[in-house]
Amino acid sequence: EDQVTQSPEALRLQEGESSSLNCSYTVSGLRGLFWYRQDPGKGPEFLFTLYSAGEEKEKERLKATLTKKESFLHITAPKPEDSATYLCAVLPGNTDKLIFGTGTRLQVFP
Amino acid sequence: KAGVTQTPRYLIKTRGQQVTLSCSPISGHRSVSWYQQTPGQGLQFLFEYFSETQRNKGNFPGRFSGRQFSNSRSEMNVSTLELGDSALYLCASSNSAEIATGELFFGEGSRLTVL
Repeated sequence: EDQVTQSPEALRLQEGESSSLNCSYTVSGLRGLFWYRQDPGKGPEFLFTLYSAGEEKEKERLKATLTKKESFLHITAPKPEDSATYLCAVLPGNTDKLIFGTGTRLQVFP
Repeated sequence: KAGVTQTPRYLIKTRGQQVTLSCSPISGHRSVSWYQQTPGQGLQFLFEYFSETQRNKGNFPGRFSGRQFSNSRSEMNVSTLELGDSALYLCASSNSAEIATGELFFGEGSRLTVL
């Protein structure tokens, strides 16, 4: 069964303290892995798409990487405005249905 | 550029009632998909429409249905509401016919509470 697991469930960081969020997946042929950010009371906001192992994407303080079994979202020197829930989703090879993980809730304190 | 608009934002219903939620996608977007978000299950795919045709459907009972109009606006309906249907219902639109781009634009959701 296709599955996406995100860890940790919650993460508290001091401003400037870099860390990584993990998204591990088990799917039948990966067509794409996607990262979204969701603020409280809002819909998810698209961040990155990764298609193949070894691929990396960057945006400001965020960098997403992909291996054959997992993806990492690295946050470098985070700021309080980076506080949000980060969602990972995968698109299996045999379906057009995105499968989301349950997210990592990140809190960055000044 | 206007984003994805969902109405109503909040609603309260009682068990057994039905509800209709509306979604207006970003202008020019032809793909609209719906998701249910709950604290325990995360986002779960309901269905996706492209040019008025349902292309994909998730694993939800037949009480959940949807449609898309010629102007790409979409509605979803839940009949015979159950307590477990309480959730945030999110609509997302895309300007690509290819779902693998993954770049979905989400609305702020309709929060449904079933009493």
